[in-house]
Amino acid sequence: AQKVTQAQTEISVVEKEDVTLDCVYETRDTTYYLFWYKQPPSGELVFLIRRNSFDEQNEISGRYSWNFQKSTSSFNFTITASQVVDSAVYFCALSEAWNTDKLIFGTGTRLQVFP
Amino acid sequence: DGGITQSPKYLFRKEGQNVTLSCEQNLNHDAMYWYRQDPGQGLRLIYYSQIVNDFQKGDIAEGYSVSREKKESFPLTVTSAQKNPTAFYLCASSLQDRRDTEAFFGQGTRLTVV
Repeated sequence: AQKVTQAQTEISVVEKEDVTLDCVYETRDTTYYLFWYKQPPSGELVFLIRRNSFDEQNEISGRYSWNFQKSTSSFNFTITASQVVDSAVYFCALSEAWNTDKLIFGTGTRLQVFP
Repeated sequence: DGGITQSPKYLFRKEGQNVTLSCEQNLNHDAMYWYRQDPGQGLRLIYYSQIVNDFQKGDIAEGYSVSREKKESFPLTVTSAQKNPTAFYLCASSLQDRRDTEAFFGQGTRLTVV
């Protein structure tokens, strides 16, 4: 069965701290796609990254980095030197190659960054 | 600017009434989706459409209906048959082949049954 688990419901940090958001997924498919979305208070989901299952290279984009490890079925997201503007709910999601129209979302992690 | 527009942002409905949520996109995307978000839960797929005049049920389609008469528009009707309609509704669109692209989301409509 397909499933995405974000065990951290809420995380609070102080500005400039590093923070890692965990994402563990389950799938039987060998080809799949992983996503991270940010949901700020305004409500819309903002796309952050997409990874396919054949690309295990970690990615860095400014203060954001992602660690994809197939051996542990994890796709963790790290924010370095967090800022107040990073406060949002972050969702990890999975889609499988045979059904790419279906995005399976985790329950989200609410990140609060305090000044 | 290209994007997805959902309206209204807030909607109140009396029990027993149908209500329609609007979703329009000018991204020239073939595929459009409706998701429901409840507190503490992830997004769940209600309906999706890959092409005009065609749509498929998602995981929680009961009590909802959609139409796709135009590429740009994918309205969602919450019917009186939906037992617990109070939620945040998000519309999304993407290129048809989702393997190489991500979905873009609107700003959502918060529906409250009073």
